[in-house]
Amino acid sequence: RKEVEQDPGPFNVPEGATVAFNCTYSNSASQSFFWYRQDCRKEPKLLMSVYSSGNEDGRFTAQLNRASQYISLLIRDSKLSDSATYLCVVSATNKLIFGTGTLLAVQP
Amino acid sequence: EAQVTQNPRYLITVTGKKLTVTCSQNMNHEYMSWYRQDPGLGLRQIYYSMNVEVTDKGDVPEGYKVSRKEKRNFPLILESPSPNQTSLYFCASSPKTSGGAVIFFGPGTRLTVL
Repeated sequence: RKEVEQDPGPFNVPEGATVAFNCTYSNSASQSFFWYRQDCRKEPKLLMSVYSSGNEDGRFTAQLNRASQYISLLIRDSKLSDSATYLCVVSATNKLIFGTGTLLAVQP
Repeated sequence: EAQVTQNPRYLITVTGKKLTVTCSQNMNHEYMSWYRQDPGLGLRQIYYSMNVEVTDKGDVPEGYKVSRKEKRNFPLILESPSPNQTSLYFCASSPKTSGGAVIFFGPGTRLTVL
């Protein structure tokens, strides 16, 4: 079993749609959680950290469920510019563990 | 501007010809790391360094070497590259080594070994 698992997609959605990604992790001792965004052939960049209480940044909402060991990302009112790969990232001692990413394609 | 830089950005080489990919960060970060990214496998850590003169193996260290003589620089060395090292490589840095630290990536180096 992979340490961090994501549905690879692709998720093809129309502009304006709401889309949700889930990610599960295997290490219950994981300390910190993030969502990164990666555009094609570019470096990953931090989208948002994920807190136990849940957090929101504009159209993006992240949730953490420690009991079930999963993280979610909700994107409301999808824009064409949201098209990218979204990486779930989990922090363990001295390292970050990356999911393989979920590809989102927002269609006009 | 705070950043992580890598050079070269693109490299095509032949099997067995030693190469070095440089990495530098100007944020005074203690932690630096190298990753490779391959389709379907995601980002895998090659080596990391928690401070000057402190380096350790990641998940896929075979065929690679690193050094950390200065805080800002963390070069990746391929002594005898092979075709299975064809990949997209990212250097990264972070202000601390664990829990809650955001990691910043360089722009990537696309390596092809023929």
